[in-house]
Amino acid sequence: KAGVTQTPRYLIKTRGQQVTLSCSPISGHRSVSWYQQTPGQGLQFLFEYFSETQRNKGNFPGRFSGRQFSNSRSEMNVSTLELGDSALYLCASSERGDGEGTQYFGPGTRLTVL
Amino acid sequence: EDKVVQSPLSLVVHEGDTVTLNCSYEVTNFRSLLWYKQEKKAPTFLFMLTSSGIEKKSGRLSSILDKKELFSILNITATQTGDSAVYLCAVGGGSYIPTFGRGTSLIVHP
Repeated sequence: KAGVTQTPRYLIKTRGQQVTLSCSPISGHRSVSWYQQTPGQGLQFLFEYFSETQRNKGNFPGRFSGRQFSNSRSEMNVSTLELGDSALYLCASSERGDGEGTQYFGPGTRLTVL
Repeated sequence: EDKVVQSPLSLVVHEGDTVTLNCSYEVTNFRSLLWYKQEKKAPTFLFMLTSSGIEKKSGRLSSILDKKELFSILNITATQTGDSAVYLCAVGGGSYIPTFGRGTSLIVHP
C-alpha cells in the first residue's frame, strides 16, 4: 500500500497570504489528522476529519481550516499568514482515528512565512 | 486537559550503550499509548500499548506500559548511530485526540 502523501513538500509565502496544503491518506483510511510541528511547541494537534466531517479541533485560531473529500483526501487552509505559522505541517491517517489506532504520518509540508 | 511528559529531554550516549526513555501521562479515559521515532522527517510508528505489563519487542527496542502508575518506558539495547532520533510518545484518550509529548532527543556517538 502506498503511504500518506502530502503536497507540496516545501512552500514559501509572505505574511498576509493564504495557503492550501493537501494530504492523501493510505487507501482505506477514513481518518485524517493535521498537526503543526515547531521547535518551540512540538507536535500540536490542529484537527481531525473522519468521513468528510470535522470530528475534533485543537486550540488554533479560525485562520486554520480544513476539509475532507469523499475519497478521504484532505486539505488544510491557512489564511492571513503570520510569521509564527512557519512550521512543518504533518498529516496522519488511520483507519478509525479514535485515539486508539495507529496513525501513519506523511512526509510533511515545510511552510516558511517571510 | 490531557498531558504527556517525556524524560529526559535529551540524551547523548555511545554505541553499545543501553538507554531507557520515559513517558508519563494524565489522560481522561485512556485508550492507548504509542511510541514513534522521528528522524529528519515524519514520525514513524514503533509500538502501540494498551495493556499493562505486556512487553512489546522489536529487535533491540522494547516497551512496556504501567497503567496503574501511568507511565511507559522505551528501552533500546546495544544502541547504534542509526538510533539517533527524537522519540515521541503519544497517548490516545477519551477526547479522540492523541496528545504528544515533547519528545526525547537521542544522540548516539560512534
